[in-house]
Amino acid sequence: GESVGLHLPTLSVQEGDNSIINCAYSNSASDYFIWYKQESGKGPQFIIDIRSNMDKRQGQRVTVLLNKTVKHLSLQIAATQPGDSAVYFCAEHNSGGGADGLTFGKGTHLIIQP
Amino acid sequence: DTGVSQDPRHKITKRGQNVTFRCDPISEHNRLYWYRQTLGQGPEFLTYFQNEAQLEKSRLLSDRFSAERPKGSFSTLEIQRTEQGDSAMYLCASSLDAYYGYTFGSGTRLTVV
Repeated sequence: GESVGLHLPTLSVQEGDNSIINCAYSNSASDYFIWYKQESGKGPQFIIDIRSNMDKRQGQRVTVLLNKTVKHLSLQIAATQPGDSAVYFCAEHNSGGGADGLTFGKGTHLIIQP
Repeated sequence: DTGVSQDPRHKITKRGQNVTFRCDPISEHNRLYWYRQTLGQGPEFLTYFQNEAQLEKSRLLSDRFSAERPKGSFSTLEIQRTEQGDSAMYLCASSLDAYYGYTFGSGTRLTVV
């Protein structure tokens, strides 16, 4: 079945607060993970990625944490801004089955309250 | 380079007609992927190419779906005898390799009436 899922369909946060979006995956052979942001009517936009040999990676205002023990991925957005409103997807890569494409979860809709 | 380009942005077609979508990847990317996204869901992987070779096509949804990348640059996705269930966003992505630079286009929104 689907190996990547997000627990909360909607997350509402106050502007300026930090946001944490979680993702669980089930394929322990996955070796690469990406977070995407998707605004209405647009394609997914790359935010940050992490390989399975790392447990943390930081970008500008974003941090991805990977816990391989419990197969959990999270995206932290610092000082959330109105422009952060979007659907966020985690995606995993596993070339073991030969497909070499990404498997996406269903997404979390991040809503920023003024 | 302006990223991954897809054409058309929107397509409305009658059931039973054939449609073809085009994707122009980032020029230095040798991998090209097609995904389908339905409302409220994440993108679903369909197929991918490395240069002109189609390395995975078992995920294509039916034999009505086919993709080509004849010269290793742009790609086309064709759906024959469209059905209402084919209505979705069709996304193209390209990457430098399996672990770097996955970039999506804005997609083609298909509506089958």
